[in-house]
Amino acid sequence: GEDVEQSLFLSVREGDSSVINCTYTDSSSTYLYWYKQEPGAGLQLLTYIFSNMDMKQDQRLTVLLNKKDKHLSLRIADTQTGDSAIYFCAEMDSGTYKYIFGTGTRLKVLA
Amino acid sequence: DAGVTQSPTHLIKTRGQQVTLRCSPKSGHDTVSWYQQALGQGPQFIFQYYEEEERQRGNFPDRFSGHQFPNYSSELNVNALLLGDSALYLCASSLVGDSREKLFFGSGTQLSVL
Repeated sequence: GEDVEQSLFLSVREGDSSVINCTYTDSSSTYLYWYKQEPGAGLQLLTYIFSNMDMKQDQRLTVLLNKKDKHLSLRIADTQTGDSAIYFCAEMDSGTYKYIFGTGTRLKVLA
Repeated sequence: DAGVTQSPTHLIKTRGQQVTLRCSPKSGHDTVSWYQQALGQGPQFIFQYYEEEERQRGNFPDRFSGHQFPNYSSELNVNALLLGDSALYLCASSLVGDSREKLFFGSGTQLSVL
């Protein structure tokens, strides 16, 4: 079955690193994505990783993929108050073009 | 370069009514997907349109239907509204041929069914 799981909440202090975790079940996914949703807004693509990669770094963002354990993580370095939002991981089944989203992790950054 | 635009932003309907939501994709994109996001949940895939045809469909009843026009814009129609249809409806566009199939989302239409 298709299921993407995330922890619901994360609270960090400004300047610390945040790590948001995600587990997925569909081993046929070609790409895995991280999206950010601010209040009253749609989802904004942050970064993505190809399934044959282990790590991708993009400025303050680092994505780690453990394909064996079907575990994906997003690390945000030097977390700022503007990073407070809900973060969704998603997998895309290249056969059906369907995205499966997780339930989202609400990140709260304390000043 | 306009991003994905959706209208209306908010809508209030009563049970049994019908609703039409509209979406214009990002310039250069040819594929439109619709998602339903209930409060506190992740987006759930409704369907995707490409070349004016439904390419894929999620687990939604036939009350949910759609259309894509020659200019790639799209409509989502929901008939016989239920209270449980209250949600944020998100439209996302992408480009076939972009192997990464990155989705670009609009800000959504907040539908409330009373």
